[in-house]
Order: sequence, then structure tokens, then C-alpha cells
Amino acid sequence: DVKVTQSSRYLVKRTGEKVFLECVQDMDHENMFWYRQDPGLGLRLIYFSYDVKMKEKGDIPEGYSVSREKKERFSLILESASTNQTSMYLCASSLGAGRGTQYFGPGTRLLVL
Amino acid sequence: KQEVTQIPAALSVPEGENLVLNCSFTDSAIYNLQWFRQDPGKGLTSLLLIQSSQREQTSGRLNASLDKSSGRSTLYIAASQPGDSATYLCAVTVSGGSYIPTFGRGTSLIVHP
Repeated sequence: DVKVTQSSRYLVKRTGEKVFLECVQDMDHENMFWYRQDPGLGLRLIYFSYDVKMKEKGDIPEGYSVSREKKERFSLILESASTNQTSMYLCASSLGAGRGTQYFGPGTRLLVL
Repeated sequence: KQEVTQIPAALSVPEGENLVLNCSFTDSAIYNLQWFRQDPGKGLTSLLLIQSSQREQTSGRLNASLDKSSGRSTLYIAASQPGDSATYLCAVTVSGGSYIPTFGRGTSLIVHP
């Protein structure tokens, strides 16, 4: 079974803190994604990576950066957390070029105070 | 740009009913379409993946169909149970480009005993 794990289920941070969200997949997938999910707005893509050290901006990259140093790990970084980044963050992975199923992690619920 | 719409946004049915969830998309040049289930506060779980060349996929009480010409997919749930209560999302991947799925906002289903 494909497994996508996220470093935390719940996280509480202060405004201005640097926040790291980590995602690891164990199926050698090329593609990895970071989304945020908010009530009424659905799932929005923050960043996407199709290979190690490769990244592409999604629909809402402002205030975020990402790192993919190893194929199995994709990190989302909030350089200076703000209250409007309070959200549910979901990581996903899939085979390259849209092939196959997209697998999601359990999500990290982030609260920024 | 691909747009994915799911109607209705919410649905409440008594246990035992057969029901249909709808997903429509604007760009028919799709690569695949995926149906997901999301329980409250959790990540997305893949239910069915339909490739562009397929007309339907089945898994247990679930059957998903795809009609590219009309830009529609339906998810049929037979003999619904309270455990089916969740939000159901569809995601469409278009051929070419970056193969990033476009998600609908989901249908929130409640099956009451």
C-alpha cells in the first residue's frame, strides 16, 4: 500500500514564526503536491514538484516555499507565518505525467495565533 | 482553464437508497478522472480512477462512469449506508501540460439510519 505521511496532525504557531511541514511518500513517486483546504474554497494547489529539486508554483504560492532534496520528501515552508495561513494542509503524491492515482496524506491542521 | 463542478453541494438521504453524485468539467481533452472520499478532518482517499479510454469503473457498491463528449462523470453508490457519509470529490487531469489535477468542491453526503 502506498503511504504518504505528514510530520504533524495538529500544529499551533505564533505569527512571524518559520514553519516547516514535512511530507514523505514510500512509493518512489515522481510527483508530489502541497494543497491547502479551506471551507467554501475547496482544495487549492500551493506548489507541485515533478522531480528532485524541481518545483512549480500552483495557484496560491505567495507566502510559501518548498524544498525537495530527496525523491521521497517534500517540505512546505512558511517563512513568516500569518493568521491567514491557518488552514488544513494536505500533501499528495503520484506517478509522473498524470499517470495513476493521486495518494494523500492525513493532513496537518495548522493554527497561527 | 479546466473547471470542475459538483452538484449538489450537499445531499442527505435515508439508509438503503441508491444515489448518484455528479461531476462536470469544461475541457473534454482529459487524461483521467478520479473520485475521492474525504472524512471530516482527514485526508482524501482514492475511490476510483477512470482513464480517458474507459467508460466506467466499479469497486464494490461504487460505480463511476465517464462521458467525455458531454463533460460529465457520475458516481453511483448502491444501497447507501451511514458509513458512506463523507464528502466526495472528483478531480480531472487534462492531457498535455503539467498533468496537475483540477478538483471540484465536493458533495457532502449524509446517510441517516
